[in-house]
Amino acid sequence: NAGVTQTPKFQVLKTGQSMTLQCAQDMNHNSMYWYRQDPGMGLRLIYYSASEGTTDKGEVPNGYNVSRLNKREFSLRLESAAPSQTSVYFCASRTAGAVGEQFFGPGTRLTVL
Amino acid sequence: DAKTTQPPSMDCAEGRAANLPCNHSTISGNEYVYWYRQIHSQGPQYIIHGLKNNETNEMASLIITEDRKSSTLILPHATLRDTAVYYCIVRVGVLSSNTGKLIFGQGTTLQVKP
Repeated sequence: NAGVTQTPKFQVLKTGQSMTLQCAQDMNHNSMYWYRQDPGMGLRLIYYSASEGTTDKGEVPNGYNVSRLNKREFSLRLESAAPSQTSVYFCASRTAGAVGEQFFGPGTRLTVL
Repeated sequence: DAKTTQPPSMDCAEGRAANLPCNHSTISGNEYVYWYRQIHSQGPQYIIHGLKNNETNEMASLIITEDRKSSTLILPHATLRDTAVYYCIVRVGVLSSNTGKLIFGQGTTLQVKP
């Protein structure tokens, strides 16, 4: 049981390049989330998926797109990276029920030059 | 979701109890109190949650005041590995109509010292 896995762990992009961050969970959770964390700050929600086939915007969705490929996988795409997107990106999934807790992946550290 | 207020930093001696306070004076009756922690550079880790009653698990205890306007997370015997940023979050129970998202503030940086 690997929990929540993310790839890659580190990435450096040039302004304007695109990339996809991958996330997978093996806990059979319906809900999955993408957060970003800037230095010295708390996490902010980018997008979430309440169930397979559905996605919704969070607090800071501009510049990002997501795909809920299946129940296990939830990817985050940067179409044209900007230096303001330099951050650590965390994926999470949530247990079922009204008080379900979230399990987080190890993060992807992205630098945009 | 209600806002929370936490001290920015605290120190604790190894082996002693760490008591981390959180103020949530605008909490609503249907909002739960959650605690997560983030050890340096890792993803946040769930610790405990509660609604009204005090709660205890293998990691910590959560004490919620009777008026629910504040709470305290207690790590009974802090170790060096408990050094982390601790986040207090309040959130309604998840329904089909809401996200279940967590709103993270700045948290409390707990430094456990030998």
